[in-house]
Amino acid sequence: AQTVTQSQPEMSVQEAETVTLSCTYDTSENNYYLFWYKQPPSRQMILVIRQEAYKQQNATENRFSVNFQKAAKSFSLKISDSQLGDTAMYFCAFMNNNAGNMLTFGGGTRLMVKP
Amino acid sequence: GAGVSQSPRYKVAKRGQDVALRCDPISGHVSLFWYQQALGQGPEFLTYFQNEAQLDKSGLPSDRFFAERPEGSVSTLKIQRTQQEDSAVYLCASSLEPVQETQYFGPGTRLLVL
Repeated sequence: AQTVTQSQPEMSVQEAETVTLSCTYDTSENNYYLFWYKQPPSRQMILVIRQEAYKQQNATENRFSVNFQKAAKSFSLKISDSQLGDTAMYFCAFMNNNAGNMLTFGGGTRLMVKP
Repeated sequence: GAGVSQSPRYKVAKRGQDVALRCDPISGHVSLFWYQQALGQGPEFLTYFQNEAQLDKSGLPSDRFFAERPEGSVSTLKIQRTQQEDSAVYLCASSLEPVQETQYFGPGTRLLVL
């Protein structure tokens, strides 16, 4: 079974600064996907970024980028130029293609962007 | 196009009452997932459909939970004889293809059992 751990229950950052959210996971699989989802107070879960485990290059989406360290089983999210709208819960999630396509989520990190 | 929709958005039930939660996935999406999210926690997998076939129901917490997707589109999650521990947000997600695909989530149904 896979487990996903987010060790930072809450974080805060000043507007326009950079923040990094941590995520580690445990799996014996080699073929999998990793995701970061954002859940604003309205509760609609929105995909932020995804990473295929077979790709060495770190994924980037505008202000969001990841640091994927496969050997260390680490998948951190960096948010650059933080904006007030980035305030939300952030969930790291794991998908094992060899055992169905369900997502296994971490416990989440609550991010507050301060003006 | 329209995203995943869920109804009702909020449901208050008395303990012992049966409830039915509806999910309308994105049109054409093959896969549909149900997750349960307790307050302050990450979502946990309940069950998975590929078209009308329920391929995995390993996450359903008890036999009081039942899900169906009879025509391969709309899905209903039914909870019989609700208990207080069933109080949670129930999230539905869909994806276009069965494998390697991003899941798109609905707004959820917040269930409160009194």
